[in-house]
Amino acid sequence: DAGVIQSPRHEVTEMGQEVTLRCKPISGHDYLFWYRQTMMRGLELLIYFNNNVPIDDSGMPEDRFSAKMPNASFSTLKIQPSEPRDSAVYFCASWALTGISRGYTFGSGTRLTVV
Amino acid sequence: KQEVTQIPAALSVPEGENLVLNCSFTDSAIYNLQWFRQDPGKGLTSLLLIQSSQREQTSGRLNASLDKSSGRSTLYIAASQPGDSATYLCAVYNYGQNFVFGPGTRLSVLP
Repeated sequence: DAGVIQSPRHEVTEMGQEVTLRCKPISGHDYLFWYRQTMMRGLELLIYFNNNVPIDDSGMPEDRFSAKMPNASFSTLKIQPSEPRDSAVYFCASWALTGISRGYTFGSGTRLTVV
Repeated sequence: KQEVTQIPAALSVPEGENLVLNCSFTDSAIYNLQWFRQDPGKGLTSLLLIQSSQREQTSGRLNASLDKSSGRSTLYIAASQPGDSATYLCAVYNYGQNFVFGPGTRLSVLP
């Protein structure tokens, strides 16, 4: 397996624009997480899914953020409209309870800059 | 509610030293605990995962131990090298879909 794949790696956008981040989890992992990391706040859990169903979205900052997981192999995190304070690295991770790749596997992240 | 702490927040040691990083958790009903390293500007790389039934796991110069009753895990790094410089995080999974990360320990190994 190629691991958790995130795209794009870098995104620079203007304030007010819509941003969509994408994630492909490891096949067979039944949990998917979206995290945000900044120097000030560290690693923050935004939302996670179990078997494509959102379980806890209490970390989503506000209504400008939305996440979907239409199937087991794809998830998106959308910010609309984007603001400069959304600038951060966004990580996707998948997780499995059992198996060779059990536990968390993180993607390489998307570095978002909103100007 | 599970809380995870890591002490110290930062650590600086000379090359060659053996060192211990600590991870503490308040709810001992964990299923597993996972240690990660993160290099500046990079993602999180999994180092070791310990199931609740295990006492320790080893990989190369790394050894992670788990004491559920005291709510502690330690990551032991033998013969530290400058390449070990990174932030080390622990993450705990509790039964009931409760996933919690510690804040991390920033390690600097000086040549």
